[in-house]
Amino acid sequence: QKEVEQDPGPLSVPEGAIVSLNCTYSNSAFQYFMWYRQYSRKGPELLMYTYSSGNKEDGRFTAQVDKSSKYISLFIRDSQPSDSATYLCAMNTGGFKTIFGAGTRLFVKA
Amino acid sequence: DGGITQSPKYLFRKEGQNVTLSCEQNLNHDAMYWYRQDPGQGLRLIYYSQIVNDFQKGDIAEGYSVSREKKESFPLTVTSAQKNPTAFYLCASSLRDSLNTEAFFGQGTRLTVV
Repeated sequence: QKEVEQDPGPLSVPEGAIVSLNCTYSNSAFQYFMWYRQYSRKGPELLMYTYSSGNKEDGRFTAQVDKSSKYISLFIRDSQPSDSATYLCAMNTGGFKTIFGAGTRLFVKA
Repeated sequence: DGGITQSPKYLFRKEGQNVTLSCEQNLNHDAMYWYRQDPGQGLRLIYYSQIVNDFQKGDIAEGYSVSREKKESFPLTVTSAQKNPTAFYLCASSLRDSLNTEAFFGQGTRLTVV
């Protein structure tokens, strides 16, 4: 079993839809949770960074962490074609080693 | 602009050759990392360096080597011992030298064995 599981998709939604992206994990020691966005043939860029449980909002993006269920989510409101990318979840226990999910490919249709 | 520059963007290697991927950063970060990305898999850590003249193996270091002679530079050599080197290679740095969370990535180098 992988430490971090992420549905690879692809996920296709119409413009303006609310998108929900999710990851599950098995290591209860994870404390730091990140979401990265990666456009095709580019490096990932950090979208959201959360410590421990709870919600964090930044513009159209909301990150949720439920440590009791070992489940994290990224919500994108009013999705745009420019949001079409691969979204990687990532987790860290508090050191150098960050574990990445395989990524979910998202397509937002105009 | 501050950032991480990887070069070249595309690289072709013949069987049995060593090749070196360049990574330069002007963010003044102490910690730097090399990852490998394959389709359907998460990023896997090859090597990381917390400080100049020091580096540690990651999960998949076999067949790779690095150096850290300057704070700004962290080149990766893919040696002929790496059995399956075709992949997308990503260099990153992080703001905090003891915690790899908010990482900044370069644009990657796609290596293909021909």
